[in-house]
Amino acid sequence: EPEVTQTPSHQVTQMGQEVILRCVPISNHLYFYWYRQILGQKVEFLVSFYNNEISEKSEIFDDQFSVERPDGSNFTLKIRSTKLEDSAMYFCASSVDYEQYFGPGTRLTVT
Amino acid sequence: SQKIEQNSEALNIQEGKTATLTCNYTNYSPAYLQWYRQDPGRGPVFLLLIRENEKEKRKERLKVTFDTTLKQSLFHITASQPADSATYLCALDGPSNTGKLIFGQGTTLQVKP
Repeated sequence: EPEVTQTPSHQVTQMGQEVILRCVPISNHLYFYWYRQILGQKVEFLVSFYNNEISEKSEIFDDQFSVERPDGSNFTLKIRSTKLEDSAMYFCASSVDYEQYFGPGTRLTVT
Repeated sequence: SQKIEQNSEALNIQEGKTATLTCNYTNYSPAYLQWYRQDPGRGPVFLLLIRENEKEKRKERLKVTFDTTLKQSLFHITASQPADSATYLCALDGPSNTGKLIFGQGTTLQVKP
């Protein structure tokens, strides 16, 4: 069964550094998303992406964040200058309809 | 803004019983509502979707109801098993029809043998 994959599974970085989180969505899906979940808190929407552009972004998704679909398979989330409060699990999701399929997540730890 | 409340953080039941989880929402009328399962350290897994014009949806041992007047969804697991132990998340679609999901904080279900 096709699934969403994410790399790396765990990323440790120092405050102020740039990180790129990578996702490979399910191949025939058209809609792509990033969510994050701070430990013990709700899953929060960051951004939705369709037809090579952002459809919607949340207040969390400020100028430090960007997304890209550089080729036909990868979907990336870049954080330009990480802050301590960016430490969280980051989930990529994709969909062809309303139901979303989530990846296993990247645990980002900012020290 | 939209608000979702899952009315209990934890639910403990005995194997074989029916688990009932509640999701209430305010300030919004979603076109659909979804339920996901999340295991520790893992991503959410889609379970069921119910649309605003549907009262009930079933899938194997799972049943979801959707009452748009009460602004409430109930999620039932019948004949529960220890393997059903997980956190269950309710999610609404955002108003802008971009696929954005707004999640509740989840209810952690523990099924004891």
